Amino acid sequence: NAGVMQNPRHLVRRRGQEARLRCSPMKGHSHVYWYRQLPEEGLKFMVYLQKENIIDESGMPKERFSAEFPKEGPSILRIQQVVRGDSAAYFCASSPLGQGANTEAFFGQGTRLTVV
Amino acid sequence: AQRVTQPEKLLSVFKGAPVELKCNYSYSGSPELFWYVQYSRQRLQLLLRHISRESIKGFTADLNKGETSFHLKKPFAQEEDSAMYYCALHDLYGNNRLAFGKGNQVVVIP
Repeated sequence: NAGVMQNPRHLVRRRGQEARLRCSPMKGHSHVYWYRQLPEEGLKFMVYLQKENIIDESGMPKERFSAEFPKEGPSILRIQQVVRGDSAAYFCASSPLGQGANTEAFFGQGTRLTVV
Repeated sequence: AQRVTQPEKLLSVFKGAPVELKCNYSYSGSPELFWYVQYSRQRLQLLLRHISRESIKGFTADLNKGETSFHLKKPFAQEEDSAMYYCALHDLYGNNRLAFGKGNQVVVIP
């Protein structure tokens, strides 16, 4: 099991372009969480998805950000018309059940987005 | 709202010296707390969870509800302990997401 795979590891976009970040959860995991880490900050929750469903997107900015987790393929975090403030590390975590005291969340290595 | 505070950003200790990373939390329910570690060039991984009450790599952490703390301790630091450490709270009321502190950079000096 290769673990949670995120790609690309590094992504550079010009202001106004779109950024697409991919997350393939561990085999057998149907729960995916996305977190964002701004410089000098801790990880902040963005969105929680199960296959084909968004369960909680309360941490997502209302505009320009969207996420999906289709029946087949990876989860995608999409940022439209990127701005410099979107520069951050974006982490994906997966678990077989919802995260909990008895359920470990496994993290990917993250995608570092730089907006120039 | 849940909040996790790690007051010290950087902690430098000599090899063999004790390490203590402070973590305080605010949460309205019964908390479930974790420590995650990120070694250089590696992914974030679970180090400890309070519910299991075990020692991992010589680290222990005790949940103190009176002081709302979950400090991480190790009596004798090793060079391989150099890493980023994050305290996290499991938000049962928030779809089980994790709330993280800002992290501690630990540098163990040989």
